[in-house]
Order: sequence, then structure tokens, then C-alpha cells
Amino acid sequence: GDSVVQTEGQVLPSEGDSLIVNCSYETTQYPSLFWYVQYPGEGPQLHLKAMKANDKGRNKGFEAMYRKETTSFHLEKDSVQESDSAVYFCAFPRGGSGNTGKLIFGQGTTLQVKP
Amino acid sequence: DTAVSQTPKYLVTQMGNDKSIKCEQNLGHDTMYWYKQDSKKFLKIMFSYNNKELIINETVPNRFSPKSPDKAHLNLHINSLELGDSAVYFCASRDRGYNSPLHFGNGTRLTVT
Repeated sequence: GDSVVQTEGQVLPSEGDSLIVNCSYETTQYPSLFWYVQYPGEGPQLHLKAMKANDKGRNKGFEAMYRKETTSFHLEKDSVQESDSAVYFCAFPRGGSGNTGKLIFGQGTTLQVKP
Repeated sequence: DTAVSQTPKYLVTQMGNDKSIKCEQNLGHDTMYWYKQDSKKFLKIMFSYNNKELIINETVPNRFSPKSPDKAHLNLHINSLELGDSAVYFCASRDRGYNSPLHFGNGTRLTVT
């Protein structure tokens, strides 16, 4: 079935460290891929997206490459900042007839950047 | 100019009570959702409405009843609250199109004592 698996639990880099949060997806469709970010006390918001294979989504220094051959969409950043601390979700839409589709979310990865 | 707004932000109540959460979106989207986020941050879809019609119901107990008076509003009523209902509930909306992203509200933290 459709699913997303991402880096589990918490990631605790120091400010200035590089970051990779893994995301692997499983589906028979060919969806767009998303990363959502959730800051404390807020709802998730779209962070970046890639519409098709080999597209790269970018936002605020983060990047993610749509790799269809490995069914992955890893989130990367060269140098994290304390303000990047949040929960990150990898997701893709599962289509349905009309507009009956829904987003399939990974379990979330908490990024806590140490000053 | 809030896009998706839900009220209340916090809700503390006792077991057995009935409560409602309201949601409104001013984005002109046809589709609205309710999600439940547990203490481990996992997001689980509960319901989806498209233009006031229920299109997704993810095996949620029938104590939960969504109501959509018009396509800009989707409310959630919960009967006979249980301890396990404690969570953060998010309303969201989405434009037409398979690849359209979700727009979330800021959540309602429900605590059942």
C-alpha cells in the first residue's frame, strides 16, 4: 500500500552542522512529493515540493531531490540554524476520483538544533 | 487574513462530555479535512469533505461527527469524550488538483480529564 518512511524520532545537530533527513516512499502512482514543516504551536505548512522525477525542491537553504529510481526524497541542508528547529514531515498525495485524494504523511522527524 | 482558522485553540473537558471544534477557510477551496495528531506527532486523517459532501471517513468512532454547513466551514462534534481523544486536532483545506498542497489551521489542543 501507499506509505512514507522517514528518519525516526529526533535529530540533534549543532548549529552549523549539515543535515540529512531520510524519506522513502512507496506507491504505484507517480505523485508529487512534499516536505511539510511544523513549528511549535502551529499547524504543518508546506516547506518545499517537487513535481516529478529529478526535480529539486528548495526553500530557506533546504533542498530535496525527487529520486524515482530509489523512491526517495531526502531533505538536506548544508548548515542548520537554531530557527530550523521544528517537526518535518515527508508526504505525497494519493489520488482518487474527482478530488477524493488525500496526503500520505510520514511519521515526522523532530529537528532540534543546539546553539 | 488568516487562511484556515479553527476555534477554540485549547479545550479542556471531562470524560463523557460533548464538545465541538469549528473551522473556517477563506481560500475558496472545495475540500476540507480533519486530522488528529497524537503525542508522537503522527498525523492521522479523520474526515474529508468536498463541497459539503463527505468523501473520506477513516474508520473514526461514530462519536465523532463532522458537519459542513457550506464549503468554507467544517466543524467537528465529539460525543461522550474519552481519555484517548486527547490530542491536537487540525483542520485543513486543499484546492482542486491531485498535487495541490494542504493548508492547515493552527490546531485545537483537546485535553480530556
